[in-house]
Amino acid sequence: DAGITQSPRHKVTETGTPVTLRCHQTENHRYMYWYRQDPGHGLRLIHYSYGVKDTDKGEVSDGYSVSRSKTEDFLLTLESATSSQTSVYFCATNTGVGAGYTFGSGTRLTVV
Amino acid sequence: EDQVTQSPEALRLQEGESSSLNCSYTVSGLRGLFWYRQDPGKGPEFLFTLYSAGEEKEKERLKATLTKKESFLHITAPKPEDSATYLCAVQAGSGNTGKLIFGQGTTLQVKP
Repeated sequence: DAGITQSPRHKVTETGTPVTLRCHQTENHRYMYWYRQDPGHGLRLIHYSYGVKDTDKGEVSDGYSVSRSKTEDFLLTLESATSSQTSVYFCATNTGVGAGYTFGSGTRLTVV
Repeated sequence: EDQVTQSPEALRLQEGESSSLNCSYTVSGLRGLFWYRQDPGKGPEFLFTLYSAGEEKEKERLKATLTKKESFLHITAPKPEDSATYLCAVQAGSGNTGKLIFGQGTTLQVKP
């Protein structure tokens, strides 16, 4: 996980509250991604960024928003948390096409 | 629609018993196929990238191969420390986003 830090590592929150997860990288990679990992579904892309202030939706973006004001930080916000958003969230970065991801250690989020 | 399917979902081996994991893909314009290893509670760790049919990569007891429709991860004489979930992912299409589409993974257990 060198160069990528996710915070918090664990969080329990109540239904209906907003939650923000942070991903910080020191790799100076242009591309950043947020995935969620659930049993039976594997890793699914929520949102991604291809530069500062440049973001786009992935396959499971409903209920989530992102922001990237600096190259090193990519924030994922659950606008109003629901139980279906209980999951493990991974941030990843890469240098572009043809390059593999470097992953963070993940954030385990529980919505009660 | 781009799709990645891994089989089997779970595999139990005795130490030293060689086997293979399969990753079948249906994509438009493959730009790279990636293998990752994931240990419980951690983020996926990069193993290999394959770019064209016929390509092979090796690392210790692991060997990855690629055809036009699938990839295999061969494990030779596995040890208990090889126990993990192995993820396959593809990067495809004409865009420049670097997005990866993941299979659901194969969980390998190697018993001493």
